[in-house]
Amino acid sequence: GEDVEQSLFLSVREGDSSVINCTYTDSSSTYLYWYKQEPGAGLQLLTYIFSNMDMKQDQRLTVLLNKKDKHLSLRIADTQTGDSAIYFCAEMNSGGYQKVTFGTGTKLQVIP
Amino acid sequence: NAGVTQTPKFRVLKTGQSMTLLCAQDMNHEYMYWYRQDPGMGLRLIHYSVGEGTTAKGEVPDGYNVSRLKKQNFLLGLESAAPSQTSVYFCASSFPESGALYGYTFGSGTRLTVV
Repeated sequence: GEDVEQSLFLSVREGDSSVINCTYTDSSSTYLYWYKQEPGAGLQLLTYIFSNMDMKQDQRLTVLLNKKDKHLSLRIADTQTGDSAIYFCAEMNSGGYQKVTFGTGTKLQVIP
Repeated sequence: NAGVTQTPKFRVLKTGQSMTLLCAQDMNHEYMYWYRQDPGMGLRLIHYSVGEGTTAKGEVPDGYNVSRLKKQNFLLGLESAAPSQTSVYFCASSFPESGALYGYTFGSGTRLTVV
């Protein structure tokens, strides 16, 4: 079955770049996503990348996809304290309904 | 501009009690989902629905039942609560056509403790 793995924790200093990594196993993934979960809230979609793309940039966010290695990363430039949250990697495969498999989440701590 | 609303936000149950979690969305989404979130395990799909009157099992359906009598509502029931069902429950919804691009819309969650 599908599996999405992430490291559980990342700590960075304010102003530095953060890089959150994710690996997945499903070679039929069509879309890959990054969601953000702030304390006490649900998940919010940050960005997505289609499986035939290598990179996507959106303001401070850069998503890199290495389809051969099934590796996805999210880079946050100039990390701010407001970026402290849990970040979930997720993938949608091509079968049936819009089945999305979520990773375990990476808790990003930004130190002032 | 409500989006996805979950009620209640918090609940404490005794083992063996039953309860229903309500999810309501006002975006006319066809697809709805129930997930549970546990530390170190991410989100796991309990049940989902691809339209009014339809439901299907997800990854961890045991101990839960669901109903989708109206398009906007998706109910999650626990018939006889167990401590292993202590978790944070999230409801989500999406469009079938554009859901891939726009992802899921999530509710703010229900924190359930079973003692």
